[in-house]
Amino acid sequence: GDSVTQMEGPVTLSEEAFLTINCTYTATGYPSLFWYVQYPGEGLQLLLKATKADDKGSNKGFEATYRKETTSFHLEKGSVQVSDSAVYFCALSMTGNQFYFGTGTSLTVIP
Amino acid sequence: DTAVSQTPKYLVTQMGNDKSIKCEQNLGHDTMYWYKQDSKKFLKIMFSYNNKELIINETVPNRFSPKSPDKAHLNLHINSLELGDSAVYFCASWPGQGSGYTFGSGTRLTVV
Repeated sequence: GDSVTQMEGPVTLSEEAFLTINCTYTATGYPSLFWYVQYPGEGLQLLLKATKADDKGSNKGFEATYRKETTSFHLEKGSVQVSDSAVYFCALSMTGNQFYFGTGTSLTVIP
Repeated sequence: DTAVSQTPKYLVTQMGNDKSIKCEQNLGHDTMYWYKQDSKKFLKIMFSYNNKELIINETVPNRFSPKSPDKAHLNLHINSLELGDSAVYFCASWPGQGSGYTFGSGTRLTVV
């Protein structure tokens, strides 16, 4: 079935470090792909999305490119800040309304 | 104006009690969901409604009963609460294909 696999956390980085959180997917067709962020004590917020192969989603300095050949949608940021500390979820959606979420990756950025 | 609002934000109750969580969205979306997030942050879908009709009903104990009086509201009633029901419950709404969910801020349920 359709699924998403995220890199295990937790991830701890120093401020201004480069961030990569890996996400790969399994799907029978061509899904839409999403990254969500959950700050402590809050709900999930949509961070970025890509709906077709080679699309790049970007928001708040974060980027992810939909790579069909490697079935991946890795999240990257060039210079993280303390305020980026959160849990990040990769997700996919096929036709229909069900989303499949990864297990989440906790990021802590230290000053 | 909060797009997806849940009440209450916190709920502490004893085993065996019955409780309800309410959700309302003002986005005009047709589809709404309930998700359960455990202590390891794993998200599990519970139910989905499209325009008041139940369309996803995952393997959830029948002590959990969703109700959608109209497409802007989706409530969750839980009977005979158990310790294992302790979790954060999220409501979400969805406008359609290619779009992401909009989540509420969650209800932290603690059963003691």
